[in-house]
Amino acid sequence: DTGVSQDPRHKITKRGQNVTFRCDPISEHNRLYWYRQTLGQGPEFLTYFQNEAQLEKSRLLSDRFSAERPKGSFSTLEIQRTEQGDSAMYLCASRPEWARVSDTQYFGPGTRLTVL
Amino acid sequence: GQQLNQSPQSMFIQEGEDVSMNCTSSSIFNTWLWYKQEPGEGPVLLIALYKAGELTSNGRLTAQFGITRKDSFLNISASIPSDVGIYFCAGQLTGTYKYIFGTGTRLKVLA
Repeated sequence: DTGVSQDPRHKITKRGQNVTFRCDPISEHNRLYWYRQTLGQGPEFLTYFQNEAQLEKSRLLSDRFSAERPKGSFSTLEIQRTEQGDSAMYLCASRPEWARVSDTQYFGPGTRLTVL
Repeated sequence: GQQLNQSPQSMFIQEGEDVSMNCTSSSIFNTWLWYKQEPGEGPVLLIALYKAGELTSNGRLTAQFGITRKDSFLNISASIPSDVGIYFCAGQLTGTYKYIFGTGTRLKVLA
């Protein structure tokens, strides 16, 4: 499978717990995005990586959220001290750098987080 | 968070009918994308547009990048039951890496 993969697909946690999600982008895609999507809404941008550098972060990304991409390949998104309002689908997308005709992002299936 | 205005919010149509939806913004975008999302899955790219006025087709789908760079539309011709889903527009803000998504158009096709 050469698409974007995310793990886990579903996560149920209790309020106050920490959770970590993983995203494996399409091979050779050096650009990686994280989004959050709540029910009935479109995806909302959280953060962007180019290789291992985090170049843009949304104000939606509070201090409890942190994302890393240590070797420029897979990425992790951690949420500390989860709150019920964090319940959402967390989507990862990747994009190649080179050809403008491919200047688009491809999404993974998402991780559905439920905070009880 | 910031989202694009997308209309209509939802629509029920008969199989075989044509569908039109649009997306508007107060900001200028340098790329417009149209995605379809099905329940429990991530959005799947349908069409990408890169310059003002561009008209692009993908099978029964046609999309245009507005001249003002602040809007885009998507047409689906001769709809079929598998067109059911949520359609999102997305634009890349000029000068940023950020993509902003629309609020979605929920399409239901009646056989």
